[in-house]
Amino acid sequence: AQSVTQPDIHITVSEGASLELRCNYSYGATPYLFWYVQSPGQGLQLLLKYFSGDTLVQGIKGFEAEFKRSQSSFNLRKPSVHWSDAAEYFCAVGAPTNAGKSTFGDGTTLTVKP
Amino acid sequence: DADVTQTPRNRITKTGKRIMLECSQTKGHDRMYWYRQDPGLGLRLIYYSFDVKDINKGEISDGYSVSRQAQAKFSLSLESAIPNQTALYFCATSDPGLADLNEQFFGPGTRLTVL
Repeated sequence: AQSVTQPDIHITVSEGASLELRCNYSYGATPYLFWYVQSPGQGLQLLLKYFSGDTLVQGIKGFEAEFKRSQSSFNLRKPSVHWSDAAEYFCAVGAPTNAGKSTFGDGTTLTVKP
Repeated sequence: DADVTQTPRNRITKTGKRIMLECSQTKGHDRMYWYRQDPGLGLRLIYYSFDVKDINKGEISDGYSVSRQAQAKFSLSLESAIPNQTALYFCATSDPGLADLNEQFFGPGTRLTVL
């Protein structure tokens, strides 16, 4: 079975600082990996996804993530955080053998200090 | 207009009451999902449907039922609500062409409180 771990429950960064949110997954083959963002009072919006090819993927809002098979990780990064990035971030893993279902991590809440 | 809508957005009810949460989508997707979100627990899958005639239980289906009235509509029911069903509920869809990628499109959520 697939699983996802987001080790950091809450992260605080200063506006303009860089950001890295961690995600580790468990799956026997190459998974499909996603990062979603949930702003307060909103549903989840897809930031980026990886399913094959280049291991560094670019997403919306200036985010990127890198798939590292050797570390079973798919960490989300942004070089300069904006106050509007304050939200909850979810990593998710899917698999071709799992009938179109995704497994979500518990989420990381990002606070941005002025 | 939003592609995936949920009604109501907020609901307060009492223990033992029957509650229905509704989801509609204009994306033309065959696959629809219901999740609940609890603080610190991420999203957990309640039920999912790959077409009108295909309904499947997720990891936490006990206490819930669903109805897929049409391709565009997927309703979640709590037959007899209990306080530990207090949560934020999300509906989501996915496109068969993208389903192998599991990318999902979410509604805005329904906040349900059971007193």
